[in-house]
Amino acid sequence: GAGVSQSPSNKVTEKGKDVELRCDPISGHTALYWYRQSLGQGLEFLIYFQGNSAPDKSGLPSDRFSAERTGGSVSTLTIQRTQQEDSAVYLCASSSRVVTTDTQYFGPGTRLTVL
Amino acid sequence: QKEVEQDPGPLSVPEGAIVSLNCTYSNSAFQYFMWYRQYSRKGPELLMYTYSSGNKEDGRFTAQVDKSSKYISLFIRDSQPSDSATYLCAAAYNQGGKLIFGQGTELSVKP
Repeated sequence: GAGVSQSPSNKVTEKGKDVELRCDPISGHTALYWYRQSLGQGLEFLIYFQGNSAPDKSGLPSDRFSAERTGGSVSTLTIQRTQQEDSAVYLCASSSRVVTTDTQYFGPGTRLTVL
Repeated sequence: QKEVEQDPGPLSVPEGAIVSLNCTYSNSAFQYFMWYRQYSRKGPELLMYTYSSGNKEDGRFTAQVDKSSKYISLFIRDSQPSDSATYLCAAAYNQGGKLIFGQGTELSVKP
């Protein structure tokens, strides 16, 4: 079946602009996660959604970052007033539930470059 | 200090070698430990996970957790060029789903 998809695959933007990154999880998966991977760094947790529950936003680095998940499926990560330090690969993952032992399936990521 | 530390490498080995990849962690509350493999320009994929201390084997791969020393290891036997990738260790406190990752180790297996 189809895996997790993300769009765009690459995004180049100018400092100060807003960007939106999209994630389509595996059909039927109720849990959706966003991570950020910077050069030389591991994956940094940003936020997760579980069904209709309030999202865990504890990893969002600043109030310029926000995410929503509409209809329990597609999610959008928005970065406002982008800064150069926001340049990274943004990865989305989904799993059946927000349970550690349920495998998180990752998409290919969106490579964001802020000039 | 990061909660999960991993030597970024790169690590280069000849085909057929035994590879040892290691992580250390600082928080004794971690209970679940995972290894992910990430090929270039792809998302990570789960190799295996371990709960608490002990060993787990899957084919050529063995994961080992020593909670007394806060040490996580992944061993790859009879390494193949197709094993060339970045290997990420991760840990979780509980069943809540949030994973804390190490920096990843880049492995290259030369034919």
